[in-house]
Parts: sequence; C-alpha cells; structure tokens
Amino acid sequence: DIVMTQSPDSLAVSVGERATINCKSSQSVLYSSNNKNYLAWYQQKPGQPPKLLISWASTRASGAPDRFSGSGSGTDFTLTISSLQAEDVAVYYCQHYYGTPQAITFGQGTRLEIK
Amino acid sequence: EVQLVESGGGLVQPGGSLRLSCAASGFTFSSYNMNWVRQAPGKGLEWISYINSGSSTIYYADSVKGRFTISRDHAKNSLYLQMNSLRADDTAVYYCARDAGLGHDNGDYYDYWGQGTLVTVSS
Repeated sequence: DIVMTQSPDSLAVSVGERATINCKSSQSVLYSSNNKNYLAWYQQKPGQPPKLLISWASTRASGAPDRFSGSGSGTDFTLTISSLQAEDVAVYYCQHYYGTPQAITFGQGTRLEIK
Repeated sequence: EVQLVESGGGLVQPGGSLRLSCAASGFTFSSYNMNWVRQAPGKGLEWISYINSGSSTIYYADSVKGRFTISRDHAKNSLYLQMNSLRADDTAVYYCARDAGLGHDNGDYYDYWGQGTLVTVSS
C-alpha cells in the first residue's frame, strides 16, 4: 500500500498570510504513460463532509477559490493557501488514487487554524 | 445539482447488523462508480468499499471484507452498504462518495460526498 504522510499535523496562520501543507507518498503516484500525478486534496470543515479542492496534484476543482493551489510531482506535494481567510479553518487531506480503487489511501490530515 | 443523501445509521450492539443507504440525485447514477468511505470519531478518512457502474467490479478494504456488502439499485438511484458482525471499531461516520468519472475500474478522486450517517457500535 502507498502510505501518505502529511506535515505538519497542525498549523496556525494569521489571516492574510500564506499557509503551506505538505504531503509525501511512500512511492511515486506519477503515471508515466500520461505524465499525471494521481493526487487529490480535500478540505473538511467542522461537521461537514470532505470537499474536493484539487485533483491531478494541481487542478483546482470547480468552485474552489483561486487562493488554493497545488504543486509537486512524484512523491512530494504541497497545498498552498496564498492568503488565508477565516473560512479556510478546516482539516485538509491528501489522497492518492494511483492504481485500483482498493489501493486508495488518505493522509492523516492537517488541521489549519487561525493564529 | 448533485446530491448524495445517506441514511440508516444508528446505535447497534456488537455483532449486530445495519443497512446504510445513499440516495443519489442530480446526475445519471447508473453511469458512475461509487464508494463508501468512513471516518471514526476524531480520526481520518478510510476508504472501505467500491462498486462500479455495472456492479461487475466490487472491492472491499481488508478491515470490512467478509462482513460488509456493497450494492446498488439503478431503478431507485441508490447505493447500499449491508454491514454485518459489527464491532466497536466500526463506529464512524459513513460517507458515500462519487468517483469523478475516470472509469475502467481505476482509482479515482471523489468529486461529490454525502453528508454522512453515524454508526455507533456499543453495548
């Protein structure tokens, strides 16, 4: 199984500042035949289900604010919030979808709070 | 508007059974692969089961294999999870989640999630 490890487990950032969350996979999730990274990011606000933010490591989902961006390739990925807003308080999860559906795993989550 | 609405959760004793339902609307349910994902209280996300659009391919996580059964009914636009031999560590919010549509029984990201239904296994 591919293990997804996020860092940090939690962070506090001031409103208007940049927030950066990292995700590392235990093996590459870059599929060589199409040069795509099978990596997604989700946002989960308190009491709500997860919501898709980013797919293919860097493609913003419909409706996701453009202050959210994803980057990275292979085994190392980053979710960046360029200017943190109060409504961004949430737990963020990375997920790989490389291989079969039963191989899918999530990172442990990163809790983002306002400083 | 795509909607997924889970139901059927509740309190059940260890060894008991529950059947979860997920009612889908706002899209052609029969064209999409579907999943169940759970989240134990205060914990992260765990994929537990997948069914493709034609019900011909089904997968389970090792943690539920042999105890849970996924199914779907296109006439009712519904996804189901039959849970038997429930244990305390099955306590979680259970979400249904739609594959984004890559198809061909490949791994996929989930573009829509339901609100979840809480299953509590306790005596």
